[in-house]
Amino acid sequence: KAGVTQTPRYLIKTRGQQVTLSCSPISGHRSVSWYQQTPGQGLQFLFEYFSETQRNKGNFPGRFSGRQFSNSRSEMNVSTLELGDSALYLCASSIGLAGSVDEQFFGPGTRLTVL
Amino acid sequence: AQTVTQSQPEMSVQEAETVTLSCTYDTSESDYYLFWYKQPPSRQMILVIRQEAYKQQNATENRFSVNFQKAAKSFSLKISDSQLGDAAMYFCAYRTGTASKLTFGTGTRLQVTL
Repeated sequence: KAGVTQTPRYLIKTRGQQVTLSCSPISGHRSVSWYQQTPGQGLQFLFEYFSETQRNKGNFPGRFSGRQFSNSRSEMNVSTLELGDSALYLCASSIGLAGSVDEQFFGPGTRLTVL
Repeated sequence: AQTVTQSQPEMSVQEAETVTLSCTYDTSESDYYLFWYKQPPSRQMILVIRQEAYKQQNATENRFSVNFQKAAKSFSLKISDSQLGDAAMYFCAYRTGTASKLTFGTGTRLQVTL
């Protein structure tokens, strides 16, 4: 079974631009969660999508948004980029059924650099 | 709010020796789960071990075991017979039984020396 894939792996943008990151979960997984990893703030939860609906949301400004498609692939978008958005963005997929605590499998991440 | 604290930014262990990484957490929930994740230099986060709060028995996975002290809200990871491939960042993480959001600690960088 193929693992979680994230594209692109590396991205360089300038302040004020917007960016879209993509995550393809493991086949059969319906939950996709996104995390931001920075040296200063560590790993922080952005949001989770399940069956095309946002199920949970972290404490990030509205510039951070996401969506999920019918094939469970997910995208996250960051608008009006700031220098502080430079980070490794990780996505994790799981089967995600309510009431079950199944393993979350992480992708390799997208390294975003904002200049 | 739930918090996870890892007080050891860096640890070092000799190959074949045993090392223990510490983690404490704070929660008012009764239904929760604890995890240790490993993030090697390649950056891909890998689950090492998980512990259900309702289980009294400490989880074990080969050379990895935990010491779960529920009353003290402590969840340490013991790595036995350390190998060079164990060198990585180790994150302690928490989630409730109802939401998949993981709350991570700040991580412990483990070095394994010859």
